[in-house]
Amino acid sequence: DTAVSQTPKYLVTQMGNDKSIKCEQNLGHDTMYWYKQDSKKFLKIMFSYNNKELIINETVPNRFSPKSPDKAHLNLHINSLELGDSAVYFCASSPSTSGNEQFFGPGTRLTVL
Amino acid sequence: KNEVEQSPQNLTAQEGEFITINCSYSVGISALHWLQQHPGGGIVSLFMLSSGKKKHGRLIATINIQEKHSSLHITASHPRDSAVYICAVLMDSNYQLIWGAGTKLIIKP
Repeated sequence: DTAVSQTPKYLVTQMGNDKSIKCEQNLGHDTMYWYKQDSKKFLKIMFSYNNKELIINETVPNRFSPKSPDKAHLNLHINSLELGDSAVYFCASSPSTSGNEQFFGPGTRLTVL
Repeated sequence: KNEVEQSPQNLTAQEGEFITINCSYSVGISALHWLQQHPGGGIVSLFMLSSGKKKHGRLIATINIQEKHSSLHITASHPRDSAVYICAVLMDSNYQLIWGAGTKLIIKP
């Protein structure tokens, strides 16, 4: 029944590793997002996809690569993890790109050691 | 100066008190969101407003587009309302969401 799900919920890994976080929504929404919540609790948008196409790509290191195999999924792959990548990452979806409520996943707490 | 400013940053109140959290923004928007983040980290969307007022249970959200200001009110506050409340605006130029820093609310029994 979960509307927006993320896996894993917790991810602890070593510097230099490559990891992925998965996001799935069963709401039939066209638009999906990835946000990073920093240590001050600010949420910053990283990427947005609409119908599997990239529409927002903020200044994010190219070690971060989103992949959308279909409009219900938006996965986040991170290469060569760094200590500063430690944060909570939230996935969200909305019916379209404009003026709609966003539905959030539970978050993935990434810790890089 | 941030495009979205919330006040207060922290608020502690007694159970039953009427709570008001304010949000001011400086950009053109198509909508404004109020969200709630519980200590466990999950984010819940409370309201999406483009004009006027919305009410859901004990929560009321208002927006004044001319003054670029929104308020979130909680009536008869309860300890379970303790959370961080976040205001976020959807820019009308590029549909990007800009987040406020959040207001940490603690309701004491």
